[in-house]
Amino acid sequence: GAGVSQSPSNKVTEKGKDVELRCDPISGHTALYWYRQRLGQGLEFLIYFQGNSAPDKSGLPSDRFSAERTGESVSTLTIQRTQQEDSAVYLCASSSTGVLSDTQYFGPGTRLTVL
Amino acid sequence: DAKTTQPNSMESNEEEPVHLPCNHSTISGTDYIHWYRQLPSQGPEYVIHGLTSNVNNRMASLAIAEDRKSSTLILHRATLRDAAVYYCILGASGTYKYIFGTGTRLKVLA
Repeated sequence: GAGVSQSPSNKVTEKGKDVELRCDPISGHTALYWYRQRLGQGLEFLIYFQGNSAPDKSGLPSDRFSAERTGESVSTLTIQRTQQEDSAVYLCASSSTGVLSDTQYFGPGTRLTVL
Repeated sequence: DAKTTQPNSMESNEEEPVHLPCNHSTISGTDYIHWYRQLPSQGPEYVIHGLTSNVNNRMASLAIAEDRKSSTLILHRATLRDAAVYYCILGASGTYKYIFGTGTRLKVLA
């Protein structure tokens, strides 16, 4: 079946503009995760959704970052007033229930470049 | 938060076994140990996971120390397609959050 998809695959924006990144999880997966990966570094957890609620927002780096999810479907990560340090690959993952023994399935990521 | 420590890089010859170590000395009793790998320009993909006992699947084996403070991912016969960054991750109990380490970049020599 279809895996996790993300759009756009690449986004170039000017400093100060807002961007929206989209994630389509695997159908039926209740848990959804957003990560950030800066060039040459590991993954940094941003936020976790169980259904459409976000019990863990601890990784969001500032109030310019927000995310929402519609039911157990699409999620959108919004970055307002983008800064150059926001340049990174943003990865989305989903898992069937969210328990820690579950496998997370990752999308290909959105590469964000802030000029 | 419990963290993992891995060597930055390792090399292996093709068709030889590879042992990728991970230290997680502050692991909690209910933290799962997961391994993922990331090929160039792709999202991470699942390799294997375990809690206390050693685990085997078609991709790899996971050997977990008796005190759970370390683990080793074993690729039985490395191929060129196994060249990737391998992440040892703890599933942090009570938070649903994966804590990614720095990863080990595996280079496979033909």
